[in-house]
Amino acid sequence: EVQLVESGGGLVQPGGSLRLSCAASGFSFSGNWMHWVRQVPGKGLVWVSCINIDGSVTRYADSVKGRFTISRDNAKNTLYLQMNSLGAEDTAVYYCAGASSMAFDPWGQGTLVTVSS
Amino acid sequence: QSALTQPASVSGSPGQSITISCTGTSSDIGVYNYVSWYQQRPGKAPKLIISDVSNRPSGVSNRFSGSKSGNTASLTISGLQAEDEADYYCNSYTSRNTWVFGGGTKLTVL
Repeated sequence: EVQLVESGGGLVQPGGSLRLSCAASGFSFSGNWMHWVRQVPGKGLVWVSCINIDGSVTRYADSVKGRFTISRDNAKNTLYLQMNSLGAEDTAVYYCAGASSMAFDPWGQGTLVTVSS
Repeated sequence: QSALTQPASVSGSPGQSITISCTGTSSDIGVYNYVSWYQQRPGKAPKLIISDVSNRPSGVSNRFSGSKSGNTASLTISGLQAEDEADYYCNSYTSRNTWVFGGGTKLTVL
């Protein structure tokens, strides 16, 4: 069974940092680009970042560039998102997703990040 | 990168067909055949239902179809069923080597 399981979400103060993880199983993790997508509860999906198969290419949405860093460990089948200088606007459910051609599939169940004092 | 434009809501009766539009620009939908569509039910993760404008992944009902003309992509659901009630999002690759989603469309089955 294909599974992507995110972890690491929680409550963090404004200006703080958090690292999200996404563990993959039943899925060719090392052979796929990977993405992070976020969604403010009740709002739409927003693409955040992606990384190529060996981590040599990364891309970011303008809203997180310079603050977030995507990385991966193919030996551990795990994707990461290091989030620094967090603000209230970063409060969202964060999904990891595999790349299927230029689409997103499969998806994890999401992890909630709340930035609040 | 501005979000792609989708209608906020659409509705239809069981058995009918509905179409959801997704309008972008000449920097995304207009230049790439990399439009995908996602279904999201309440409290669940999104599910890919259409990739590369019109390709249906294995296991997705053939009642779902996609198309594109110029800067606008469309998702058509035929033979509407109660289980189709969900939020639908379009997505496109862009000339900035990024991806952009639409704002989402809530489908109500009357």
